[in-house]
Amino acid sequence: SQQGEEDPQALSIQEGENATMNCSYKTSINNLQWYRQNSGRGLVHLILIRSNEREKHSGRLRVTLDTSKKSSSLLITASRAADTASYFCASSGGSNYKLTFGKGTLLTVNP
Amino acid sequence: NAGVTQTPKFQVLKTGQSMTLQCAQDMNHNSMYWYRQDPGMGLRLIYYSASEGTTDKGEVPNGYNVSRLNKREFSLRLESAAPSQTSVYFCASSRIGLAEYEQYFGPGTRLTVT
Repeated sequence: SQQGEEDPQALSIQEGENATMNCSYKTSINNLQWYRQNSGRGLVHLILIRSNEREKHSGRLRVTLDTSKKSSSLLITASRAADTASYFCASSGGSNYKLTFGKGTLLTVNP
Repeated sequence: NAGVTQTPKFQVLKTGQSMTLQCAQDMNHNSMYWYRQDPGMGLRLIYYSASEGTTDKGEVPNGYNVSRLNKREFSLRLESAAPSQTSVYFCASSRIGLAEYEQYFGPGTRLTVT
């Protein structure tokens, strides 16, 4: 079964708005990562947050982690049409060697 | 740097045929991975190689074999293709075999088994 589950499955917003995606996981983690996938392409790493961190920023991205609720959120501020993609969370799920990916959130940013 | 490359980009097989998907990375990474991506299922790990000379099963290894040919190359073989193996296959690599490090993905191979 999937370790991470993203919510919502799909999100459609207007350019300039903020987009928030959530991820829940089941077992304890060492860290949680977020990836982006443009249509027909491979995944690209966005950000990694460790289990002892609560918040992390990278450009227009803000990731939070709540280990008590086993959840994480990815916020993209001032979205652009180029942000249109699927976004996946991935967690270690107790294994040092493997990442387990969620099913993803499809974000559409309308110009 | 080309990063992670995969060949072929597209392939159509008949049930029972065999084929090998090739993957190479030029980042001097120790660990490599094979995933499959199906609609609504996210990515599932097929096999991984934590370091040269080692391979281990992932979540969905049945029907597949792998070879870590050298540090750069990690191939995935389908001995007798089945329609259930229709999917997009991604190869990835990471600096070392710990989930603390980001993975770099290839562009994928879209495989259809009829």
